[in-house]
Amino acid sequence: QKEVEQDPGPLSVPEGAIVSLNCTYSNSAFQYFMWYRQYSRKGPELLMYTYSSGNKEDGRFTAQVDKSSKYISLFIRDSQPSDSATYLCAMTVDNYGQNFVFGPGTRLSVLP
Amino acid sequence: DAMVIQNPRYQVTQFGKPVTLSCSQTLNHNVMYWYQQKSSQAPKLLFHYYDKDFNNEADTPDNFQSRRPNTSFCFLDIRSPGLGDAAMYLCATSRIGTGKGNEQYFGPGTRLTVT
Repeated sequence: QKEVEQDPGPLSVPEGAIVSLNCTYSNSAFQYFMWYRQYSRKGPELLMYTYSSGNKEDGRFTAQVDKSSKYISLFIRDSQPSDSATYLCAMTVDNYGQNFVFGPGTRLSVLP
Repeated sequence: DAMVIQNPRYQVTQFGKPVTLSCSQTLNHNVMYWYQQKSSQAPKLLFHYYDKDFNNEADTPDNFQSRRPNTSFCFLDIRSPGLGDAAMYLCATSRIGTGKGNEQYFGPGTRLTVT
């Protein structure tokens, strides 16, 4: 079993849809969770950063962490064609900038 | 704008011919990372520098080396590239000690082709 798993997609949705992107993990020690957006042939860009369980909202994006289920989600409301990208989850145990584990990414296409 | 810059964006090298990729940052971050990312795969951490302290991942091949001559610059040297080393190489930075050590800023990447 991989340490972090993510549905690879591709996921295609119509513009305006609500998108749910998910990751599961096996290491219960993970406490810090990140979502990155990566456009084609570009570097990842940090979208959301959360600590422990709970929800965090930023504009159209909501990150949700359920540590008891070892499951994290990123919701995108009112999706736009500009949201078309690969979304990577990442996680780590502490706040010392080390030992990040990334998921393989989910490729999302938002169709106009 | 503060940023992470990688050069070149595209690099073609021959099998076995040494190649150096460069990364510079204007963020004044104390940590710099090198990742390898193959198509449709997760970025794989090769090593990172915390200031001048070098940290090598256990499974990073000896073929990969890194140098950080100063805070702003970091280099990735591939001594004898093989076909399996063709990938996107990503440089990232973060600043430990501010409570934001996990917030990594990535460069645009260098796509390496080995012929």
